[in-house]
Amino acid sequence: QKEVEQDPGPLSVPEGAIVSLNCTYSNSAFQYFMWYRQYSRKGPELLMYTYSSGNKEDGRFTAQVDKSSKYISLFIRDSQPSDSATYLCAMSAGNNAGNMLTFGGGTRLMVKP
Amino acid sequence: SAVISQKPSRDICQRGTSLTIQCQVDSQVTMMFWYRQQPGQSLTLIATANQGSEATYESGFVIDKFPISRPNLTFSTLTVSNMSPEDSSIYLCSVEGGDGYTFGSGTRLTVV
Repeated sequence: QKEVEQDPGPLSVPEGAIVSLNCTYSNSAFQYFMWYRQYSRKGPELLMYTYSSGNKEDGRFTAQVDKSSKYISLFIRDSQPSDSATYLCAMSAGNNAGNMLTFGGGTRLMVKP
Repeated sequence: SAVISQKPSRDICQRGTSLTIQCQVDSQVTMMFWYRQQPGQSLTLIATANQGSEATYESGFVIDKFPISRPNLTFSTLTVSNMSPEDSSIYLCSVEGGDGYTFGSGTRLTVV
């Protein structure tokens, strides 16, 4: 079993839909959770960075962390074709550079006009 | 957050040759990280590069195949040595910025 599980998709939605992307994990030491967006042929771009359980909102994006269930989510409201990309969750046990980042496998999202 | 300049952005190389990838950061950082992303896969950490000491390699990666230099706090190189088609991947450098990790734009390597 992988340490971080993420449905690979592809997930196809119409423009304007609410998108829900999810990851589950097994290591209870993880405390810092990140979501990255990666366009084709580009490096990952950090979207959201959260600590411990709770919600964080930034524009159309909301990140949720439920440590009791070892489950994190990224919600995208009013999805746009420009949101079409691969979304990677990542997590670590600490917030300094000595703590290794563990990635999910990525979910490919397609938003159709 | 830090800004990383990575080059080359892409290259096509003959098997048996070597390619050196460079990453320049706009601020001083203690650690730099090198990742590999094989086609359709997520990111796998190759090694962690500290300034002034040898890099620390993850399981499955060795210094002879992926030598790393870290001459100062803003720069690092990764060399992919004696390449084979199985080395065709995207290679990425990364630094930790206090509010998450920042990545370079990646080097898309194709070995023919």
